[in-house]
Formats: sequence, C-alpha cells, structure tokens
Amino acid sequence: LAKTTQPISMDSYEGQEVNITCSHNNIATNDYITWYQQFPSQGPRFIIQGYKTKVTNEVASLFIPADRKSSTLSLPRVSLSDTAVYYCLVGDLSGSARQLTFGSGTQLTVLP
Amino acid sequence: EAGVTQFPSHSVIEKGQTVTLRCDPISGHDNLYWYRRVMGKEIKFLLHFVKESKQDESGMPNNRFLAERTGGTYSTLKVQPAELEDSGVYFCASSQGGLAGVPSTDTQYFGPGTRLTVL
Repeated sequence: LAKTTQPISMDSYEGQEVNITCSHNNIATNDYITWYQQFPSQGPRFIIQGYKTKVTNEVASLFIPADRKSSTLSLPRVSLSDTAVYYCLVGDLSGSARQLTFGSGTQLTVLP
Repeated sequence: EAGVTQFPSHSVIEKGQTVTLRCDPISGHDNLYWYRRVMGKEIKFLLHFVKESKQDESGMPNNRFLAERTGGTYSTLKVQPAELEDSGVYFCASSQGGLAGVPSTDTQYFGPGTRLTVL
C-alpha cells in the first residue's frame, strides 16, 4: 500500500475552513484515497473517499489533483467538535488484500 | 442500522491469563477485520475474514493470538497467554465487500474498540 505523509498537527478556530493535505507520491493506478476521523476512545470513522478530481459529501470535500500524488481534505466552518485525529489512507480495497494502513494522522485542534 | 459493536469495552487482566474479545459486525457484512493500537504506536492490521474464512492473517503478531468467526457472523479474538506488550486498543471493522478485479471501493466501518490492559 502507498505510504502517506500528512502534518502531525494543525490548529484552527471555530467557523474557519480547514484544509489538511496528504502526500502520496507512490499512489498506484487502482488506489483510492480515503480519510478517516478518530475521536478519543472511539474507533476511526469514515469521512470521505475519492479517486480523482473532487468529491463532496455532507461532511467534507476531497480535492485530488490530476497527478493524484496528493489530496486535500477540506472541512468547512469547523466547530469544537471537529477536534480529532484525521487519517489519510491510500490503497486498492477491491483486491484480496484489504488491510488499511494507518499513519500517524493529523491532530486537528479547533479553538474557540 | 446498528454499527459494529465490540465487547468488552475494557478488560484488565494479569500477565499469563487469557482474554477473549468479541466483535459483532454490521449485519450483512461478509468482511470482518481486526486491528490494534499498542501504546504510542499506529493502528496496525491484524487479520481479515471473508465470511468464516481467514483471508489474510499476515498481521497476527504470534501464535498466542487466535481469531475465529464461526458461522461467518460475530468474531472472537483470543489472547492466550497474555503478555504485557499485548496492552492496547483492539478495533474491529466490517465491510460489505468490493468487486474483485474492479478498482471500486469497499468502506470499512469501525467499532469503538476494546481497551486491553495486561498487568
């Protein structure tokens, strides 16, 4: 599975838009990009997934450039409850090897 | 629809004892995964079931760990005998299953985890 690199931590204020960028230079043709969110004492929670261009759901947007070597998770108008660790994962989940490879993630802290 | 559930939420045992963790996946999900995070480390894959069969157990640390999924429903992960380094949080996840040979997606949904402390 392709390795990812993302900032260890980020701070933001309530109401701001937060963009977390992830680098995945070795992404393979069949790989998808998935973002998970994790609160303390909870399991990772799926946020969004994409292959290329832009994906948007009710929670976030995911921007993927044409070369797919990076991706940006965008959280609009964050609140205190968005304080969590955000993981960027890259892999092909359609084959027999379905394991997710988690990195260290990005600790997002939203300040009042 | 109920999510992935895990039992117990916490377990404290002494070194050398046996502990069994249980995971109930989302109904209808054929794929079930176990992961764990030991203190200060990243979440690591342990194994993957497809129905009752072990598809991939490359992440199992040693033979003190035994996972089962009889009947293809819930799964148990037994640690026997437990060692100090087994302390951590054990997560279970489930998914419906993607299409083989097609670059489609297969979202894994995680349970809340079981915090295991070995004294």
